[in-house]
Amino acid sequence: GAVVSQHPSWVICKSGTSVKIECRSLDFQATTMFWYRQFPKQSLMLMATSNEGSKATYEQGVEKDKFLINHASLTLSTLTVTSAHPEDSSFYICSATVGPPSETQYFGPGTRLLVL
Amino acid sequence: AQKITQTQPGMFVQEKEAVTLDCTYDTSDPSYGLFWYKQPSSGEMIFLIYQGSYDQQNATEGRYSLNFQKARKSANLVISASQLGDSAMYFCAMRLTGGGNKLTFGTGTQLKVEL
Repeated sequence: GAVVSQHPSWVICKSGTSVKIECRSLDFQATTMFWYRQFPKQSLMLMATSNEGSKATYEQGVEKDKFLINHASLTLSTLTVTSAHPEDSSFYICSATVGPPSETQYFGPGTRLLVL
Repeated sequence: AQKITQTQPGMFVQEKEAVTLDCTYDTSDPSYGLFWYKQPSSGEMIFLIYQGSYDQQNATEGRYSLNFQKARKSANLVISASQLGDSAMYFCAMRLTGGGNKLTFGTGTQLKVEL
């Protein structure tokens, strides 16, 4: 149980285009999902908390107009990187929480984005 | 503010031996959760084990056990009988109760299992 999928796993795009990444909880409902970014050989950096039916909460320094998050259902959250530039190239990974007491976050397999 | 420290950037262990990965944390909140995740080269984050701050016993999950020393604020991961497939990056993380379920991650330890 607690499987999270992410699509696509790889994306290469031209500078200026927008890219949408989907995160789905396959066998459970997740009222809260998280989006992280990870640079090579570094730890995960939380970008935003995505709550079903409400606006996402962004971490300090993360541009909400650049990284649009939509959590339209209990099993799907999307991250759209708008007008992507080479500096947006990174590994993006989502997670979804199961219920109490641990509220463990289960992660998707991640999406590698390369902006040319 | 909460902080997670992993002081071992890299570790080597012989196959079939046990290895301990260190993790210390800092928080003034009495209620928190501690997690360990494994990240192989493929990038996925695999949940290994969880310890709640009020749990009386150390958590165990198969070959993984968590050496929880609350007074020292340490939550070391012990992997017994190491296998080649255990080679990966390991991250310690902490969640504060009431903190929106956000995780704070350490910098990770790269484990290499050798024959």
